[in-house]
Amino acid sequence: GAVVSQHPSRVICKSGTSVKIECRSLDFQATTMFWYRQFPKQSLMLMATSNEGSKATYEQGVEKDKFLINHASLTLSTLTVTSAHPEDSSFYICSASEDYGYTFGSGTRLTVV
Amino acid sequence: GQQLNQSPQSMFIQEGEDVSMNCTSSSIFNTWLWYKQDPGEGPVLLIALYKAGELTSNGRLTAQFGITRKDSFLNISASIPSDVGIYFCAGPGGSQGNLIFGKGTKLSVKP
Repeated sequence: GAVVSQHPSRVICKSGTSVKIECRSLDFQATTMFWYRQFPKQSLMLMATSNEGSKATYEQGVEKDKFLINHASLTLSTLTVTSAHPEDSSFYICSASEDYGYTFGSGTRLTVV
Repeated sequence: GQQLNQSPQSMFIQEGEDVSMNCTSSSIFNTWLWYKQDPGEGPVLLIALYKAGELTSNGRLTAQFGITRKDSFLNISASIPSDVGIYFCAGPGGSQGNLIFGKGTKLSVKP
């Protein structure tokens, strides 16, 4: 079946630094990938839609300059949290859609100290 | 936008018991998906439903796509401790082709 690999699984960074999260589709090509954020005990909230070769589409309220998305190839999308602050601490999950549905990465736990 | 109402919010059951959870929507969905999320992990697809009225099983799990296309249920039979987790219903109803999720049902199983 389709596999989406997300790295890192956990990252701790200092306030003010930037963190990059990678999302790769291992055995299929994904023209579209989705980035979600999940707060404790809550459901997944879509942050942005990453489109290969074009600009990402951000959901209302999501700062595009803080959450930079690059989808440089059909198998890789990256989310960079720039100038991270403690309130950016969260669980970030990517997803890719393909013929058989939607497959999710294993998530990245970001802690900003 | 489209919303999915999932219930119950949480369940505490004894090992061996059967479980049922459901999801409803005010609008029609053409696909219903059920995912399980373990702590610190991404959601994993359990069952996908594509036709109204469809009843699909995956081991001890059974899910049905309502005739009206506005609801779905997931049953787990003879629960075991590893069934613990959060179960989400989802459908591809977002404006970007993304999934919309229910709020989840947290299942706890007492051995």
